[in-house]
Amino acid sequence: AQKVTQAQTEISVVEKEDVTLDCVYETRDTTYYLFWYKQPPSGELVFLIRRNSFDEQNEISGRYSWNFQKSTSSFNFTITASQVVDSAVYFCALITQGGSEKLVFGKGTKLTVNP
Amino acid sequence: GAVVSQHPSWVICKSGTSVKIECRSLDFQATTMFWYRQFPKQSLMLMATSNEGSKATYEQGVEKDKFLINHASLTLSTLTVTSAHPEDSSFYICSARLGVRDTQYFGPGTRLTVL
Repeated sequence: AQKVTQAQTEISVVEKEDVTLDCVYETRDTTYYLFWYKQPPSGELVFLIRRNSFDEQNEISGRYSWNFQKSTSSFNFTITASQVVDSAVYFCALITQGGSEKLVFGKGTKLTVNP
Repeated sequence: GAVVSQHPSWVICKSGTSVKIECRSLDFQATTMFWYRQFPKQSLMLMATSNEGSKATYEQGVEKDKFLINHASLTLSTLTVTSAHPEDSSFYICSARLGVRDTQYFGPGTRLTVL
């Protein structure tokens, strides 16, 4: 069975601080895809990144970076120099090829960036 | 990224009435669409998976006669909440993807309030 754990329920930081959101996943499939989505107060889920299991390269996009480590089954997300607009709930998700083929979500981490 | 629209964005209805929510993929053809329900401060709960031209597959515990799903074309899926009751009040979100290996894009959600 597949599972995604986001151990941090809520995080509160002050603007300009760096913050890392943790994501640990479980799957026995060798081919899988990992995602991060952002859900601001408006409710819409915004796609941030997708990673497949064969690509362990870390990725940076502006202030966002992702660290994918198969050895620890983790796909952590770091926001550098956080801003108030980063306040949202962030979801990590997993889908496997050959499994149920449905996205499995973590419970989400609520990030609050205070001015 | 791809765009998924949802209509209406919010709806208030009386108990016993039916409500239809539309989900459209605007710039790609979605072979599969998904319907989720989200309670406050919780993760997304998958209700059903809908493939174009075939019957939807419902998750365990979801009443298929209450939540009617139609996926008549590659760009449109509808969810009808029949004989709505106050406990059906929730945030309903749809998503769409082209194939299993493709990213799932989400609509902006519909907030349903049943009085």
